[in-house]
Amino acid sequence: AQKVTQAQTEISVVEKEDVTLDCVYETRDTTYYLFWYKQPPSGELVFLIRRNSFDEQNEISGRYSWNFQKSTSSFNFTITASQVVDSAVYFCALSEAVEYGNKLVFGAGTILRVKS
Amino acid sequence: EPEVTQTPSHQVTQMGQEVILRCVPISNHLYFYWYRQILGQKVEFLVSFYNNEISEKSEIFDDQFSVERPDGSNFTLKIRSTKLEDSAMYFCASLHRGNTEAFFGQGTRLTVV
Repeated sequence: AQKVTQAQTEISVVEKEDVTLDCVYETRDTTYYLFWYKQPPSGELVFLIRRNSFDEQNEISGRYSWNFQKSTSSFNFTITASQVVDSAVYFCALSEAVEYGNKLVFGAGTILRVKS
Repeated sequence: EPEVTQTPSHQVTQMGQEVILRCVPISNHLYFYWYRQILGQKVEFLVSFYNNEISEKSEIFDDQFSVERPDGSNFTLKIRSTKLEDSAMYFCASLHRGNTEAFFGQGTRLTVV
């Protein structure tokens, strides 16, 4: 069965601090996809990144970076020099890719509060 | 840029009433989904739909729920007799075959009173 655990319920930082959001997943499949979504106060889900299980290369996009480690089943997300606009709920999600069209299983989310 | 559109953005209904939530997926997408998010909780899968039939449903998706793609463009979620605990944000998503990123609509906030 698929499971995603985001152990950090809420994190508060001061602007310009770096912050890492943890994500640990469980799956029996060897082929799967991992995602991060941002949910700002307005409520929509904003896609941030997708990673497939065969690509462990870390990725950087501006102030965002992701660290995927299969050995520890983790897919952590770091925001460098956080800004108030980064305040949101962040969800990690997993999709087993046995075939196309599989559902996303979400973690419980981490509330990030960035104070000025 | 193509997007998934959901209407209405907010619906208030009385307990026991039927509601239909509407979604217009991206036009060349083949897989369609409904997810639910109770306030302050995680996003939960309800149902997936492919080739005009349900391909998977969760235990939340009981007989009170149904989905339809009536005209090749809309994708609807019907709740037959709403309960207070159906109050949630409902997200529609669609996926193109060969891709793995599902596109989400902006959500419909359903409030049952």
